[in-house]
Amino acid sequence: DGGITQSPKYLFRKEGQNVTLSCEQNLNHDAMYWYRQDPGQGLRLIYYSQIVNDFQKGDIAEGYSVSREKKESFPLTVTSAQKNPTAFYLCASSNLHGNQPQHFGDGTRLSIL
Amino acid sequence: GESVGLHLPTLSVQEGDNSIINCAYSNSASDYFIWYKQESGKGPQFIIDIRSNMDKRQGQRVTVLLNKTVKHLSLQIAATQPGDSAVYFCAETMTGNQFYFGTGTSLTVIP
Repeated sequence: DGGITQSPKYLFRKEGQNVTLSCEQNLNHDAMYWYRQDPGQGLRLIYYSQIVNDFQKGDIAEGYSVSREKKESFPLTVTSAQKNPTAFYLCASSNLHGNQPQHFGDGTRLSIL
Repeated sequence: GESVGLHLPTLSVQEGDNSIINCAYSNSASDYFIWYKQESGKGPQFIIDIRSNMDKRQGQRVTVLLNKTVKHLSLQIAATQPGDSAVYFCAETMTGNQFYFGTGTSLTVIP
């Protein structure tokens, strides 16, 4: 089945540690996105990429980094500079031609040890 | 930033009744809107979308209404079922790339 796969489902981070969240899609979508979801808040955009080897900061990019070496993959690294990383992280992808909905993975819940 | 909000944070309905979930948006230039359903511990699932050149669109048991005059979007679910219990939120965009999401309404269906 075509879709977006995020892994792991749960992740724990120690102080001072960088952790990487995986996102893979086989929908042949050009664009991929990372969002952070906190209780009582709408999704907030961290980074997005419209083409391989290019990406743009979203509204809350500080403390995060991404790469887009392949069309199918858009990993997110939560660095030690992100002081409040506990959240539910969602990856999405979409086509760029015309208005198209974003399709989401099932998320990674990151917690601090 | 954008302001996309919902009128009610929670909604409880009896099984079999119709549900109406509302969303207000602030950017009159937004031209594409989506409703998502999110179950606990899962990612948002696309329900239905509507473009600004329409004021109504129907799907299977769902209808989206768009009132551009007052910048209001609603999702109607007919004959609500227990499986409809979830958080519903709207999203808007004017670029097709960057979306702005509401905080969500939690729908509980009472058997």
